[in-house]
Amino acid sequence: RKEVEQDPGPFNVPEGATVAFNCTYSNSASQSFFWYRQDCRKEPKLLMSVYSSGNEDGRFTAQLNRASQYISLLIRDSKLSDSATYLCVVWGGSQGNLIFGKGTKLSVKP
Amino acid sequence: NAGVTQTPKFQVLKTGQSMTLQCAQDMNHEYMSWYRQDPGMGLRLIHYSVGAGITDQGEVPNGYNVSRSTTEDFPLRLLSAAPSQTSVYFCASNPNLAGGLYNEQFFGPGTRLTVL
Repeated sequence: RKEVEQDPGPFNVPEGATVAFNCTYSNSASQSFFWYRQDCRKEPKLLMSVYSSGNEDGRFTAQLNRASQYISLLIRDSKLSDSATYLCVVWGGSQGNLIFGKGTKLSVKP
Repeated sequence: NAGVTQTPKFQVLKTGQSMTLQCAQDMNHEYMSWYRQDPGMGLRLIHYSVGAGITDQGEVPNGYNVSRSTTEDFPLRLLSAAPSQTSVYFCASNPNLAGGLYNEQFFGPGTRLTVL
């Protein structure tokens, strides 16, 4: 099993849609969880950390379910500018470094 | 602050050539790392350093060397380039890796390397 697995993409949605990304991780000892955003041909940038109680930042909501080893990201009222690849990232992997999922590409259409 | 800088942005090598990818950060971060990103593979860790003078191997270290003589600089050396090393290389840094807390990781803009 891959250490961090994400929904296969791409997701093509109209503006204003709500879209959800899912991610599972294999190491139950993982301690920190993140969503990064990567624009085409650019470097990844932190979108938000994921806290045990769940957290929200504007249109973005992240949830963590430790029992199921599952992380989610919900984007409400999608904008054209949300088009990017979203990377699920976990810390606490076997090498003690960040483990990146392969990413899910989102395209928001007018 | 310039953040994390990488040079060059693009590079074409012939098989067997060697070169060094440069990485520098001006945030006084202890932890630095190198990743490669290939289509369908995601980001894979090559080498990392938890401080000046300390380096360790990541998931895919073969064919690469690193050194960390200062806090600011973390160059990645390709010993004898191979077509399999064609990739986008990202350098990253973060303040520390201690006690279960992990701060935001900052990435450089990447180096796009093609090996012919």
